[in-house]
Amino acid sequence: EAGVAQSPRYKIIEKRQSVAFWCNPISGHATLYWYQQILGQGPKLLIQFQNNGVVDDSQLPKDRFSAERLKGVDSTLKIQPAKLEDSAVYLCASSYVAGVRTGELFFGEGSRLTVL
Amino acid sequence: GDSVTQMEGPVTLSEEAFLTINCTYTATGYPSLFWYVQYPGEGLQLLLKATKADDKGSNKGFEATYRKETTSFHLEKGSVQVSDSAVYFCALINAGGTSYGKLTFGQGTILTVHP
Repeated sequence: EAGVAQSPRYKIIEKRQSVAFWCNPISGHATLYWYQQILGQGPKLLIQFQNNGVVDDSQLPKDRFSAERLKGVDSTLKIQPAKLEDSAVYLCASSYVAGVRTGELFFGEGSRLTVL
Repeated sequence: GDSVTQMEGPVTLSEEAFLTINCTYTATGYPSLFWYVQYPGEGLQLLLKATKADDKGSNKGFEATYRKETTSFHLEKGSVQVSDSAVYFCALINAGGTSYGKLTFGQGTILTVHP
């Protein structure tokens, strides 16, 4: 079974530029998550989708971050304009609907963003 | 809100040493508790879990017991190997609060095992 795919793996941009990250979850997983992991900290949930609807985006900085999940499969996370403090690894995860209750999420390898 | 606190790291051990990584939590309701592991160059993966008080989760020689009285979920292994070198995250899901379905992570503990 293929895992969660993310791209790009690494991205370096200057502040005020924009960037987009892509995620393809495991086939059949209805729930998709984007987490932000700043160096030395644990992952923090940015947004959670159930199929193509948003379940939780309470910690998403909506003035600069946006995310969509068209057709309930792939998802894109965009940052515009980027700030220095956005430097982090952006993790995508997916789960079966039951995984929301069991806590068993499947994570991609992450996209590392450096903002200069 | 819910929170998870892990012991300050990193941890460096010799092969076959005993490992303990401390984890305590704050949550309302009845959280489920997890340990996730991130090996170098790989994504986070679930190591073990416990869903109610006094449950013991175990996998790959690692164990952790859900202690409600001390709000703890410490990770232990009797004899570590070099291949256990990784970052370990304690986490919870709170079915009783407003964060239902959201994993809350600790800050992670880096474990390095030397031959």
